[in-house]
Amino acid sequence: GAGVSQTPSNKVTEKGKYVELRCDPISGHTALYWYRQSLGQGPEFLIYFQGTGAADDSGLPNDRFFAVRPEGSVSTLKIQRTERGDSAVYLCASSEDRGPNSPLHFGNGTRLTVT
Amino acid sequence: AQSVTQPDIHITVSEGASLELRCNYSYGATPYLFWYVQSPGQGLQLLLKYFSGDTLVQGIKGFEAEFKRSQSSFNLRKPSVHWSDAAEYFCAVGGFGNEKLTFGTGTRLTIIP
Repeated sequence: GAGVSQTPSNKVTEKGKYVELRCDPISGHTALYWYRQSLGQGPEFLIYFQGTGAADDSGLPNDRFFAVRPEGSVSTLKIQRTERGDSAVYLCASSEDRGPNSPLHFGNGTRLTVT
Repeated sequence: AQSVTQPDIHITVSEGASLELRCNYSYGATPYLFWYVQSPGQGLQLLLKYFSGDTLVQGIKGFEAEFKRSQSSFNLRKPSVHWSDAAEYFCAVGGFGNEKLTFGTGTRLTIIP
């Protein structure tokens, strides 16, 4: 079956611009996660959704970052006034349910470059 | 606070040789431990996980890992590596009711003929 799909695969934007990154989870998965992976680092947690609600957004670095999941399926990560330090690969993952018994399925990520 | 240390940034192993990748964690409660593999251009794939019970866990692709509470370690092993095992390997820790996985910085594995 289809896995987690992230679009675009690459995004280049100028400093100060607004970007949206999209994640299509596996159908039926109620839990959705966003992680950020900087060069040479492991993935870093940003936010977790259970259904439509953000259950834990403690990893969002500042108020320029926001994510939504209005219908409990597709999610969009939004970054305002982008900065060069935002350049990274943004990973989305979904799982059937919350909790570690439900494995995470990761997408291939969106590589964001801020020039 | 939870954290993961992978002390080896890069390891080179001959094809057919054995492999051990090190992982040390810090977690304030009973840890749930994971190993993920990331191949170039591909998403992270779960190799194996430990929650409780037998401290030696088996995963996919012939990998296994051993949980040692006294050493706060969860090292990944494979008796004989294949060229296709070349990838980046990440150890991660979480816990029950804690959806936030903390990953290590990864170990890049190179396989030589």
